[in-house]
Amino acid sequence: GENVEQHPSTLSVQEGDSAVIKCTYSDSASNYFPWYKQELGKGPQLIIDIRSNVGEKKDQRIAVTLNKTAKHFSLHITETQPEDSAVYFCAASGPQAGTALIFGKGTTLSVSS
Amino acid sequence: GAVVSQHPSWVICKSGTSVKIECRSLDFQATTMFWYRQFPKQSLMLMATSNEGSKATYEQGVEKDKFLINHASLTLSTLTVTSAHPEDSSFYICSVPGLPTDTQYFGPGTRLTVL
Repeated sequence: GENVEQHPSTLSVQEGDSAVIKCTYSDSASNYFPWYKQELGKGPQLIIDIRSNVGEKKDQRIAVTLNKTAKHFSLHITETQPEDSAVYFCAASGPQAGTALIFGKGTTLSVSS
Repeated sequence: GAVVSQHPSWVICKSGTSVKIECRSLDFQATTMFWYRQFPKQSLMLMATSNEGSKATYEQGVEKDKFLINHASLTLSTLTVTSAHPEDSSFYICSVPGLPTDTQYFGPGTRLTVL
């Protein structure tokens, strides 16, 4: 089955710096890769996703890149703000609709002002 | 995206009792919903897939007789933790596929504490 590895487990940056979180996956059949932000005591919130027919996607300060050959994808946050502090999870799922997500272990991002 | 609610948001119960958690999709009809469990400072682990009109599919290691799932309608799935024990204390979260159908939206979660 699918296995998703996520690094780093913790990341501390200064406000205004960029943050990068990397994930690798094992199943070459996976073709959907979402990123979620989870604040303490809340459910995960979808912040950006990418599908295997796309190499990069950007939404304001957030971008995701995908390298299907190497089976890794990354989240890039630019101009970080204190409110970006949270736990970020990457995930992967297979091609069929309604396939469950397999999550990475999460990255705790701390942005200090 | 899909709007998902869960009830209750938190519950405290005594060991040996049963607890029911509801997951509702407020703006999408869902033939499939997913239940995850999250222990403190850990990732989300898939427990089971809830299927409307048929039996749930459980992940390896999840006891189907302990975690009863009923997909009562296209907008409601319930998870009942039977004979709860302290080790069942966790954060239970459901998710609903949206559009495109590989996109998943999560509920706010239910914090279960078993004394």
